[in-house]
Amino acid sequence: SYELTQPPSVSVSPGQTARITCSGDALPKKYSYWYQQKSGQAPVLVIYEDNKRPSGIPERFSGSSSGTMATLTISGAQVEDEGDYFCYSTDSSGNNWVFGGGTKLTVL
Amino acid sequence: QVQLQESGPGLVKPSETLSLTCTVSAYSISSAYYWGWIRQPPGKGLQWIGNIYHSGSTYYNPSLKSRVTISADTSKNQFSLMLSSVTAADTAVYYCARVVRETVVRGLISYYYYMDVWGKGTTVTVSS
Repeated sequence: SYELTQPPSVSVSPGQTARITCSGDALPKKYSYWYQQKSGQAPVLVIYEDNKRPSGIPERFSGSSSGTMATLTISGAQVEDEGDYFCYSTDSSGNNWVFGGGTKLTVL
Repeated sequence: QVQLQESGPGLVKPSETLSLTCTVSAYSISSAYYWGWIRQPPGKGLQWIGNIYHSGSTYYNPSLKSRVTISADTSKNQFSLMLSSVTAADTAVYYCARVVRETVVRGLISYYYYMDVWGKGTTVTVSS
């Protein structure tokens, strides 16, 4: 079955740039999406179609994709950005949608 | 502003069928979006379960397909999930969501499905 691989954790100080990666064999041809989940809450879409930001998401959130890796970048991370981040995409057939294992972002 | 609310039993016995309903407010499920279910076992990551269009077209996670049925009731503006033969491994928070379908043409036509609005989730425990 298809898998997306993320680092378990990333830690930065407030104001620094946080980068969270997601690797998958189909990413060169398939869009990536990113969700933020704070403790006890439902996920929130922060990036769609590799690099587009939904209305209401701060400009410090950006996305990119190159080859088999997609990257979520938080420029000037803030304490309120702490939480779990999940990438999301599909396999080469487009029929099986999967989430990465999630990355816990700590900002302190 | 569209809102989704999951409802159903919080406790299901092993081998029985889990049944949940998602009630959508401030938006008709007969309009342009798809509707889906996602789950999250305790302390673990997210798993896509499946999507439905109001016409009845469904798309399921291949690993769950044999046990999953998603249906829609447009008269009640609801859609539902049924998961049969449950085990402890099906214990999770179950979310319903509005699903966007984007059509991308790069030579071939590809469809992309992603969740843009989520319910708050409901916890289902499988235990005797």
